[in-house]
Amino acid sequence: DAGVTQSPTHLIKTRGQQVTLRCSPKSGHDTVSWYQQALGQGPQFIFQYYEEEERQRGNFPDRFSGHQFPNYSSELNVNALLLGDSALYLCASSFGQGRNTIYFGEGSWLTVV
Amino acid sequence: AQTVTQSQPEMSVQEAETVTLSCTYDTSESDYYLFWYKQPPSRQMILVIRQEAYKQQNATENRFSVNFQKAAKSFSLKISDSQLGDAAMYFCAFLSYNQGGKLIFGQGTELSVKP
Repeated sequence: DAGVTQSPTHLIKTRGQQVTLRCSPKSGHDTVSWYQQALGQGPQFIFQYYEEEERQRGNFPDRFSGHQFPNYSSELNVNALLLGDSALYLCASSFGQGRNTIYFGEGSWLTVV
Repeated sequence: AQTVTQSQPEMSVQEAETVTLSCTYDTSESDYYLFWYKQPPSRQMILVIRQEAYKQQNATENRFSVNFQKAAKSFSLKISDSQLGDAAMYFCAFLSYNQGGKLIFGQGTELSVKP
């Protein structure tokens, strides 16, 4: 049973560029959430996708956007990258809009230079 | 808004001993879940234990158990017979039933295990 998978594992981008991160949920899960974890801090909720729509959003600017595909996989897009966007981006999946246990992927390390 | 507080940035335990990590939270809701996640150096967030707020019985998973005090809004994690592989960052997290999917994390407690 494949768990939550994310790609790429690591990437380096230049300030002002755009980045796309990808996530495949755990088998049987239909809900995907994204979190940003800065060094030394707990993860912060970015947004949640269910039935291909953004259902909840945390306190993140519109530069952060996402998408969910019919197969439940998801993308996180960040435009106009800032140095402060450097972080570990975690994808989490669950069943039924997250009113169940939430499982995480290994994360994508983004460094903005 | 809900908040989660872990007041112990670092903890240390001797191998085979018992350690307790503290967590308090603030919410006005009655239906919610609480979790402890472990994050080793690989940075993957691994679920350790889960507690439903409506259950009075404390959750247990092998060497891991919780002390859930709903009235006091306290949710501590006890690790018995500590092993070297338990060394990691531990996060307490809150999940509202009404805001499913939006985990709210504490700041984390870094646990070291001494041989």
